[in-house]
Amino acid sequence: DARVTQTPRHKVTEMGQEVTMRCQPILGHNTVFWYRQTMMQGLELLAYFRNRAPLDDSGMPKDRFSAEMPDATLATLKIQPSEPRDSAVYFCASGFPAPGPQTNIQYFGAGTRLSVL
Amino acid sequence: DQQVKQNSPSLSVQEGRISILNCDYTNSMFDYFLWYKKYPAEGPTFLISISSIKDKNEDGRFTVFLNKSAKHLSLHIVPSQPGDSAVYFCAATRGNRDDKIIFGKGTRLHILP
Repeated sequence: DARVTQTPRHKVTEMGQEVTMRCQPILGHNTVFWYRQTMMQGLELLAYFRNRAPLDDSGMPKDRFSAEMPDATLATLKIQPSEPRDSAVYFCASGFPAPGPQTNIQYFGAGTRLSVL
Repeated sequence: DQQVKQNSPSLSVQEGRISILNCDYTNSMFDYFLWYKKYPAEGPTFLISISSIKDKNEDGRFTVFLNKSAKHLSLHIVPSQPGDSAVYFCAATRGNRDDKIIFGKGTRLHILP
């Protein structure tokens, strides 16, 4: 049963602390995406990777957020220092581009619910 | 600016009736459209998609219609069932020229008994 695995599922932290969220993409997928879901903005793309290379992180506040893929089985999203406005659900998704007119379909993890107090 | 718009934040439909969820987009370069369904405490799951070369795609109770001239698509669920209560996200992309998918803000569908 292939699935995207995210840890932790829930994280409560205090303002100023570092937060690290982890994602294990589906084996064989070569694109990985980080999204943030808020009530106001819906699903916002923060960053994405293809073949472990970062391709777009324009949606991410770069002064405090960083995203990496140390290897093909692990993607990380770090926030340092965290702020209350970072409270949201963070989703990781992975995909594999399909040939032809159909694009890759993204498969989402269950998310990390972050609360910054 | 929102390139994919779902103007109805929520929708309530009687069980057994048709649910119609609407979506508008602004970028004429989009040529592939997707609907995702999301239950609480879970990630979005892919539901159905349509290429711009088609105007309709059907999968069981779910049908997506695409009107390119109006830059509008809709998801029809017939008949609606209690398990269909969820948030539905409309999404669009530029096919295999772009990995990114642009999501709307979602519509929460309530199926009433």
